Amino acid sequence: AQSVSQHNHHVILSEAASLELGCNYSYGGTVNLFWYVQYPGQHLQLLLKYFSGDPLVKGIKGFEAEFIKSKFSFNLRKPSVQWSDTAEYFCAVNVWGNNRLAFGKGNQVVVIP
Amino acid sequence: SQTIHQWPATLVQPVGSPLSLECTVEGTSNPNLYWYRQAAGRGLQLLFYSVGIGQISSEVPQNLSASRPQDRQFILSSKKLLLSDSGFYLCAVGGATEAFFGQGTRLTVV
Repeated sequence: AQSVSQHNHHVILSEAASLELGCNYSYGGTVNLFWYVQYPGQHLQLLLKYFSGDPLVKGIKGFEAEFIKSKFSFNLRKPSVQWSDTAEYFCAVNVWGNNRLAFGKGNQVVVIP
Repeated sequence: SQTIHQWPATLVQPVGSPLSLECTVEGTSNPNLYWYRQAAGRGLQLLFYSVGIGQISSEVPQNLSASRPQDRQFILSSKKLLLSDSGFYLCAVGGATEAFFGQGTRLTVV
């Protein structure tokens, strides 16, 4: 079945540590890829997106993600996290020509000061 | 810019009662509209999406239904709520390029 997979649902790390969150999808065809973030008590908001072109995408707040087509992956990274990065992070996939937008189960990230 | 109105913010309903959650959108026309349910550890589960008036795609069989009577109105309903319908329901607009989310409704079925 088509799906979006995010592993390691709970991630705890210290400030200044590096963060990498994995996202794999099982859809065929061309895809649009997204990472959304939900800070405590706030709406979901877009962190970054990939449609085409350079597979390394830079987003807000120092986040970046790399699309590796051969691995069906779109992993999120940040070299040095801050306490304010404590949030839940969701990967999402939309297949071109299809209006369905599917999300992964999310990663709850806690950054310890 | 797009604005999503979703209400109510919280709702407590008895088992077996009906449900109607409404989502309206401003600042766009002919949008793709979505209903998601968010649960801890389960992420955002896509329930329904709609690409136009009267057009509803259902993702999972369940006790819920959706309708789109107007271009910018999307309604989530149930005839008889179950305990398992408790959760946080989110309306979203967009999809292919970027999705924007409403504030959500926390539904507790008692």
